Amino acid sequence: KNQVEQSPQSLIILEGKNCTLQCNYTVSPFSNLRWYKQDTGRGPVSLTIMTFSENTKSNGRYTATLDADTKQSSLHITASQLSDSASYICVVSAFQAGTALIFGKGTTLSVSS
Amino acid sequence: GAVVSQHPSWVICKSGTSVKIECRSLDFQATTMFWYRQFPKQSLMLMATSNEGSKATYEQGVEKDKFLINHASLTLSTLTVTSAHPEDSSFYICSARDPSPSGANYGYTFGSGTRLTVV
Repeated sequence: KNQVEQSPQSLIILEGKNCTLQCNYTVSPFSNLRWYKQDTGRGPVSLTIMTFSENTKSNGRYTATLDADTKQSSLHITASQLSDSASYICVVSAFQAGTALIFGKGTTLSVSS
Repeated sequence: GAVVSQHPSWVICKSGTSVKIECRSLDFQATTMFWYRQFPKQSLMLMATSNEGSKATYEQGVEKDKFLINHASLTLSTLTVTSAHPEDSSFYICSARDPSPSGANYGYTFGSGTRLTVV
């Protein structure tokens, strides 16, 4: 069964600190993996997307890693800001008719001052 | 980059009435659009896949007659919640697939969502 598991479920950190969010998946055949940021009451916004052959991709203070062998991904946020408070969703695509997206439940990050 | 506009951003309606939500791709043509529902602190749940010029494909458990989807053009898909009840209150989000992958989204862009409250 195609599944995406994220951890932790929620996280509280101080402004300026770094943090790492985890995503494990059992999606096959794997197409790509995306990290989205979703602010409360808004739609998800893409941060990074990685295909099978990519190990690391950065977008400003966000760095995503992918280990296709162990089917794990991480999202590292550097020098967190209050505006980073949001839900971070890991989404994995499977190669199949219609290219299904499998969503993780997200990690809720709270950055406090 | 690709932009998807969703309207309205929030709506309050009375039980028994119908509500229409619009999803537009502003700078690209979207042959396929997706409608999601999201409950508080939950992830997005796919409701249906909307294909331009053909009938929508609904996920198991989603009532076709309750959630009417129309994708009449390459830039517009609409979701109509018919005879709305309080249990239909939720956050609805659309997504469009750009047939020409580009940029970071690789063809999937989300709307900003619609908060529906049925009273």
